[in-house]
Amino acid sequence: AQTVTQSQPEMSVQEAETVTLSCTYDTSESDYYLFWYKQPPSRQMILVIRQEAYKQQNATENRFSVNFQKAAKSFSLKISDSQLGDAAMYFCAYRRKIGANSKLTFGKGITLSVRP
Amino acid sequence: ETGVTQSPTHLIKTRGQQVTLRCSSQSGHNTVSWYQQALGQGPQFIFQYYREEENGRGNFPPRFSGLQFPNYSSELNVNALELDDSALYLCASKRGGADTQYFGPGTRLTVL
Repeated sequence: AQTVTQSQPEMSVQEAETVTLSCTYDTSESDYYLFWYKQPPSRQMILVIRQEAYKQQNATENRFSVNFQKAAKSFSLKISDSQLGDAAMYFCAYRRKIGANSKLTFGKGITLSVRP
Repeated sequence: ETGVTQSPTHLIKTRGQQVTLRCSSQSGHNTVSWYQQALGQGPQFIFQYYREEENGRGNFPPRFSGLQFPNYSSELNVNALELDDSALYLCASKRGGADTQYFGPGTRLTVL
């Protein structure tokens, strides 16, 4: 079974600084998807960024980028120029590529606070 | 806004009762998944529906059941509620074959 581990329960960053959120996962599959979702206090789970395992290039979306290390099964999220609106819970998630079931396996999440 | 809506927003039930939660998927999305998120935890997959058929289920007992309708909206039914069923219930939709799911705002269920 696939597992996703987020070992840091909380992190804090100064506004305009850069922060990196860690995630590791375990799978025997060779091709899969990885995601970072953001969940603010409003509870809506919002997609931040996605990565396909067969793509070596790290995904980027504006201020958000990932460091995907397939051999190490590591998938960290870097947030540059942090803003107050980035404060939220962040979840790392895994999804198999093969099969009709699009089940997401989530980590426990990390609470990010942004200091003004 | 993801285009996925859920009702009701909050719900309070007592142990042993039954509850139905509803989800309206984003236009064009024929796949709906349901997740349970306990306080301070990541979401756990309950099941998925594709074109009105269940095609995947997580580690949840049979008292968790669902339906998907021809318009691809969906219901989650939970019978014989237990205290541990208190959680945020999220639904997510996507087009069949797409890799990304889009989540609704969730229903907060409290079981007393």
